[in-house]
Amino acid sequence: GENVEQHPSTLSVQEGDSAVIKCTYSDSASNYFPWYKQELGKRPQLIIDIRSNVGEKKDQRIAVTLNKTAKHFSLHITETQPEDSAVYFCAAKSGYGGSQGNLIFGKGTKLSVKP
Amino acid sequence: GAVVSQHPSWVICKSGTSVKIECRSLDFQATTMFWYRQFPKQSLMLMATSNEGSKATYEQGVEKDKFLINHASLTLSTLTVTSAHPEDSSFYICSASRLAGAETQYFGPGTRLLVL
Repeated sequence: GENVEQHPSTLSVQEGDSAVIKCTYSDSASNYFPWYKQELGKRPQLIIDIRSNVGEKKDQRIAVTLNKTAKHFSLHITETQPEDSAVYFCAAKSGYGGSQGNLIFGKGTKLSVKP
Repeated sequence: GAVVSQHPSWVICKSGTSVKIECRSLDFQATTMFWYRQFPKQSLMLMATSNEGSKATYEQGVEKDKFLINHASLTLSTLTVTSAHPEDSSFYICSASRLAGAETQYFGPGTRLLVL
């Protein structure tokens, strides 16, 4: 089945700097890769997603890149702000088998943006 | 659109009792709902997937007799933790997708369960 690895587990940046979180996946049939932001005690919120037919997607300060050959995808946050502080989870939608359609999550990255 | 609610938001119960958690899609019909469990500072672990009108599909290691899932309508799924024990204490989150096999999952606010 699918396995998603996420790095780093914690990331601390100064306000205004960029933050990059990377994930790798194992199932070459996976075709959908969302990123969720979860603040303490709250629900995960979808912030951006990318499908396997696209290499890059951008939404204001947030961008995601996908390298299908290497099976990795990354989240880029530019001009970070204190309110970006949260735990970020990447996920991959498995392509086939008993878990087809299920999202497999990475272990999360705790991002801290220092003012 | 795509709002998912959960009830209750938190519950404290005695060991041995059963607890029911409701997950509702408020403004869309959810063909598929997912139940996750999240321990402090850990990731979301999928427990089971339920499709309206059919039996839930449980992930490996999840006891179906302990975690009963019912998806009776296109807007409601319930998770019942039977004979709860302290080790069942966790944050339970549901999510819903509009169509079977749809990619985007919309998450509920979660239910924090504490079993004494």
